[in-house]
Amino acid sequence: EDQVTQSPEALRLQEGESSSLNCSYTVSGLRGLFWYRQDPGKGPEFLFTLYSAGEEKEKERLKATLTKKESFLHITAPKPEDSATYLCAVQAHGYSTLTFGKGTMLLVSP
Amino acid sequence: DAGVIQSPRHEVTEMGQEVTLRCKPISGHNSLFWYRQTMMRGLELLIYFNNNVPIDDSGMPEDRFSAKMPNASFSTLKIQPSEPRDSAVYFCASSFIARTGALYSNQPQHFGDGTRLSIL
Repeated sequence: EDQVTQSPEALRLQEGESSSLNCSYTVSGLRGLFWYRQDPGKGPEFLFTLYSAGEEKEKERLKATLTKKESFLHITAPKPEDSATYLCAVQAHGYSTLTFGKGTMLLVSP
Repeated sequence: DAGVIQSPRHEVTEMGQEVTLRCKPISGHNSLFWYRQTMMRGLELLIYFNNNVPIDDSGMPEDRFSAKMPNASFSTLKIQPSEPRDSAVYFCASSFIARTGALYSNQPQHFGDGTRLSIL
């Protein structure tokens, strides 16, 4: 059974204080790892897909990286508008569905 | 472009009543997913349709839950009879999935803004 564990559950940062969110996974052959952002009262919004160990993708202040066992979402000099819950999900080879972690709730204070 | 549209946004009803949630996927997408989100269990897949056909309903909790997709632009999730433990946020998502043998493309799923369901 595929499993995704995200840590920490919640993270509070000061504006400009860089940090990383962790997504550990076990899957029977990784086809893709997905990062989503979810704002309160909204559905998850797609950020990145990573396919193989060593791959990195960036978008504004966010950078996602992937190893064979985990992915990191690095947030550089965050702003209050980066406050949201960040979800990680995996897709296994031969399947078209995703298994989600429970997310990390990020709060960035001005 | 219109995203995934869900209705209603909020539903409050009494235990035992029938509840119907609706979803309009993004035009051109061939796959539709229903999820349930709670604090305790996170985001759980309930059922997945491909080309309007249910492919995987292993996440449907029990026979009180049913889902249909009569055409490519509409799907419903029905709970009958509803119970307080069904209270959650229900999301619909859609994507385009191309299959080549055992390989599936990785087009990301796009989510609606959900229906917050409260069963009293």
